Amino acid sequence: QKEVEQNSGPLSVPEGAIASLNCTYSDRGSQSFFWYRQYSGKSPELIMSIYSNGDKEDGRFTAQLNKASQYVSLLIRDSQPSDSATYLCAVNHAGGTSYGKLTFGQGTILTVHP
Amino acid sequence: GAVVSQHPSRVICKSGTSVKIECRSLDFQATTMFWYRQFPKKSLMLMATSNEGSKATYEQGVEKDKFLINHASLTLSTLTVTSAHPEDSSFYICSARGLAGVDGEQFFGPGTRLTVL
Repeated sequence: QKEVEQNSGPLSVPEGAIASLNCTYSDRGSQSFFWYRQYSGKSPELIMSIYSNGDKEDGRFTAQLNKASQYVSLLIRDSQPSDSATYLCAVNHAGGTSYGKLTFGQGTILTVHP
Repeated sequence: GAVVSQHPSRVICKSGTSVKIECRSLDFQATTMFWYRQFPKKSLMLMATSNEGSKATYEQGVEKDKFLINHASLTLSTLTVTSAHPEDSSFYICSARGLAGVDGEQFFGPGTRLTVL
């Protein structure tokens, strides 16, 4: 069983719509959760981090965390073609020998079409 | 803030040679640096974790004698791919975590694309 799972997509949304990206994780003790955006041929760029249950908003991005359901999501409002990229969900391990390491999901490819 | 650089961005080498990749945190001190590799259309695979002044911790299946990691200071870590072979061709990315900041937050360098002929 994968530790962090994402729907690989591709997810296609029209410009101006809301894109919804989902992620589930298996380590119940995980404390920190991150969303990275990766353009083709480039390295990941941190766009959101979340630690507490609920919503966290930053501009057009909203991260949602539900630790009971082991679920984290990213909403992108007013999607733009420039948002087209692969979105990686990453989870910070809680302890033991894996403390401080991030485990990444396989990524969701998002395409925003004009 | 939180800028990480990598050098070189792209390298092509012959089979059997060694290649050194540098990772620098430019505006913060990185207590821990991580090295990843990524194959086309795949997610990031953690290779090793390095802490300043101590030996790197390698992930299972990663050959420590082939991928030499040195974290000599709080702003510099190097990855040396020794006796490179075509199967080592990949996108190598480092990340850094600072003294301050959010628990677990990592900032990535721009990556180094290695091609071994």
